[in-house]
Amino acid sequence: DAGVIQSPRHEVTEMGQEVTLRCKPISGHDYLFWYRQTMMRGLELLIYFNNNVPIDDSGMPEDRFSAKMPNASFSTLKIQPSEPRDSAVYFCASRPDRGETQYFGPGTRLLVL
Amino acid sequence: SQQGEEDPQALSIQEGENATMNCSYKTSINNLQWYRQNSGRGLVHLILIRSNEREKHSGRLRVTLDTSKKSSSLLITASRAADTASYFCATDKAAGNKLTFGGGTRVLVKP
Repeated sequence: DAGVIQSPRHEVTEMGQEVTLRCKPISGHDYLFWYRQTMMRGLELLIYFNNNVPIDDSGMPEDRFSAKMPNASFSTLKIQPSEPRDSAVYFCASRPDRGETQYFGPGTRLLVL
Repeated sequence: SQQGEEDPQALSIQEGENATMNCSYKTSINNLQWYRQNSGRGLVHLILIRSNEREKHSGRLRVTLDTSKKSSSLLITASRAADTASYFCATDKAAGNKLTFGGGTRVLVKP
């Protein structure tokens, strides 16, 4: 199994640009989670999906952030417009329906100039 | 806000020594998990302890849980240079939904 796949691994963009982060969960996993990690705030849960349906988006910082999961094998996290304070490492994680531990992807390191 | 707070924030030890780190949390939990993060990588699950368990072992790892004090500890015995990483506790209030992570302990094992 390839594990959770995220792309791109690194993204550098300018303030105001749209950024799209992508995630492919482990096949058969029903839950998908998006996290953001910064030095100041640590690891924060942004949103999670169950069977492609968003369950809890209370961690999404503001309307500039949106996430979708059009099918069981693909999810996107979009930031539009991006701001320098969005610079962080964004992780995607997944887990099976009856599991309790999460499997993390390698992360996308985002720098907004 | 973070559910778990970890102590110490950083730890430096010699290879072969034991490393102990602690995690405190605020609300009742279903289980508590420990994860490791190597520099520039994603988190990797290490061990899970349920609220009705007091101690659990996995290889060189020993985890304790004291629900009355709302705290947990992770002990790594006979540390190796490869154990150099950040270690995070994560609390799960409702069996598999949201995990809330602590701030992490950075461990440096010097050869």
